[in-house]
Amino acid sequence: SYELTQPSSVSVSPGQTARITCSGDVLATKSARWFQQKPGQAPVLVIYRDSERPSGIPGRFSGSSSGTTVTLTISGAHVDDEADYYCYSSADNTHWVFGGGTKLTVL
Amino acid sequence: EVQLVESGGGLVQPGGSLRLSCGTSGFTFSDYWMNWVRQAPGKGLEWVASINQDGTEKYWVDSVEGRLTISRDNAKNSLNLQMISLGVDDTAVYYCVSGLFSGWLQYWGQGVLVAVSS
Repeated sequence: SYELTQPSSVSVSPGQTARITCSGDVLATKSARWFQQKPGQAPVLVIYRDSERPSGIPGRFSGSSSGTTVTLTISGAHVDDEADYYCYSSADNTHWVFGGGTKLTVL
Repeated sequence: EVQLVESGGGLVQPGGSLRLSCGTSGFTFSDYWMNWVRQAPGKGLEWVASINQDGTEKYWVDSVEGRLTISRDNAKNSLNLQMISLGVDDTAVYYCVSGLFSGWLQYWGQGVLVAVSS
């Protein structure tokens, strides 16, 4: 098995840039996705294939990859972006793993 | 409108069994991989199991092997999760999730709570 490691929390002020990292050996060769989950709600995909943004996701959300680390960047964070964020990937495209999640606070 | 609605959750004693179902509409069910993802109270997301479009491929996380079985009925547009030998660590909200490809978690249900407790 393998792991994806995220910081437990990140805090920024409104309008600042928030960066959330996800590290794991599998990320050297496999792409990652990012999900946003607000309290009491199902997760929502915000980034796929490391840096692609699904339709309907605001442009302030972006993703990047370098070596064994992927990064979710929220440029000009809004208070409404406050949520838990999870990275997600697979070594073999059959068994999947989430990172432990990062609580983003915007205040 | 895409809809996934989970049912069958509830309180069960350790060692007990439960069967979750997921009814779907608004998309061509037989074109999609289906998945179960769970979230223990106050904890993170965990991928549990996946099944391909015709049910010939099934995958699951090691911790549920032999206890949780994923299946689907394309005629009824439904997904199932048969759970046996449940333990307290299985307590979680279980989400039914669909996606066009393996591991794609595109459409999510609202989840159903399974509580394992004596």
